[in-house]
Amino acid sequence: SQTIHQWPATLVQPVGSPLSLECTVEGTSNPNLYWYRQAAGRGLQLLFYSVGIGQISSEVPQNLSASRPQDRQFILSSKKLLLSDSGFYLCAWRQTGSNQPQHFGDGTRLSIL
Amino acid sequence: ILNVEQSPQSLHVQEGDSTNFTCSFPSSNFYALHWYRWETAKSPEALFVMTLNGDEKKKGRISATLNTKEGYSYLYIKGSQPEDSATYLCALSGGFKTIFGAGTRLFVKA
Repeated sequence: SQTIHQWPATLVQPVGSPLSLECTVEGTSNPNLYWYRQAAGRGLQLLFYSVGIGQISSEVPQNLSASRPQDRQFILSSKKLLLSDSGFYLCAWRQTGSNQPQHFGDGTRLSIL
Repeated sequence: ILNVEQSPQSLHVQEGDSTNFTCSFPSSNFYALHWYRWETAKSPEALFVMTLNGDEKKKGRISATLNTKEGYSYLYIKGSQPEDSATYLCALSGGFKTIFGAGTRLFVKA
């Protein structure tokens, strides 16, 4: 069966510090991978998605970046965090096809001080 | 820009009440609509995926309908129970992207 791991679960970082959140998927190959953010009181905002190794599509302009160094690894990064980067970050995967559901990791609660 | 709207934003019902909420979306370029259930301290879980106009899906006391021509989907919960308390997310898929609505937060009081 397929599983998705996301870490860390919580993170408290000062403004201006770097960020690296990691997500890995097991039990499937060539998944579509996604990073979402839920800001306080809002829905899930799509940040990045990837359809293959090294292929990253960005949905919103921001100081975050994503990378997919391996087929089942998706990393969310920042060189300098802003206060507005606080939120709940979710990684997800799905098989290719619009009718395929997304499977989510447990999320990372990021607080910027 | 694809926009998925959900209403109401939150809903408080008594145990045993039946309830429903709405998801609205642009009717053009429709591919698939998903409903997810998101409980506190857990990750979202898929409930239904619907692709055809007129689709109806059911899982236990929860059901959903789809109207792609007018651009809406309804989620129904019959005889709400406290364990139904969660945020219900609607999402529209097209190509590689999935766009989520802001969700309806359901509170069921015993």
